[in-house]
Amino acid sequence: EIVLTQSPGTLSLSPGERATLSCRASQSVSSHYLAWYQQKPGQAPRLLIYGASSRATGIPDRFSGSESGTDFTLTISRLEPEDFAVYYCQLYVSSRYIFGQGTKLEIK
Amino acid sequence: EVQLVESGGGLVKPGGSLRLSCAASGFPFNTYSMTWVRQAPGKGLEWVSSISSSSDFIYSADSMKGRFTISRDNAKNSLYLQVNSLRAEDTAVYYCARVDHYDSSWFFQHWGQGTLVTVSS
Repeated sequence: EIVLTQSPGTLSLSPGERATLSCRASQSVSSHYLAWYQQKPGQAPRLLIYGASSRATGIPDRFSGSESGTDFTLTISRLEPEDFAVYYCQLYVSSRYIFGQGTKLEIK
Repeated sequence: EVQLVESGGGLVKPGGSLRLSCAASGFPFNTYSMTWVRQAPGKGLEWVSSISSSSDFIYSADSMKGRFTISRDNAKNSLYLQVNSLRAEDTAVYYCARVDHYDSSWFFQHWGQGTLVTVSS
């Protein structure tokens, strides 16, 4: 069974800084199947990235995704106040979906 | 505009049952697979089950099999989740979402606001 491990658990940064969030798969997976979501308190998740690196409709270009083997990265180039939230990676595998445990991005 | 509106949550005793509904609008419901995702209080997202556009294919998380049943009624533009033999650990917000597919990628572009299920005596 594939497991997605996100790190760090919590990331404390200031507005204007660069954020780098990691999602590691326990075995080799296709980058086509990796997505990233943002969730703010009391809200439903919001799709940011699909196919590891394609931005969803309406997502600012400060959000970018990349992959290297089993390691996937979500980068926020310059943090805005509204970017502080929890971020989840998600993998599609064999018609099922797996979520990582999330990374909380908090204001330092 | 795509809209997904869940209903049917509430307080239920352990061992009880509920039927969650998701009313869809703003897109051709009968051409999209749909899914349920849940989130326990203060915890992460957990995929529950997915159903293809014509109900031909149903997939569920192993931990949900046998107690949770997904279904849909395309004539009513509605998605359902029957949850039986509820346990305290099933307490969560249950979200419905549309399954989108583009260029070999599968993801959830649109989500409902969620319905809270609380299992407690």
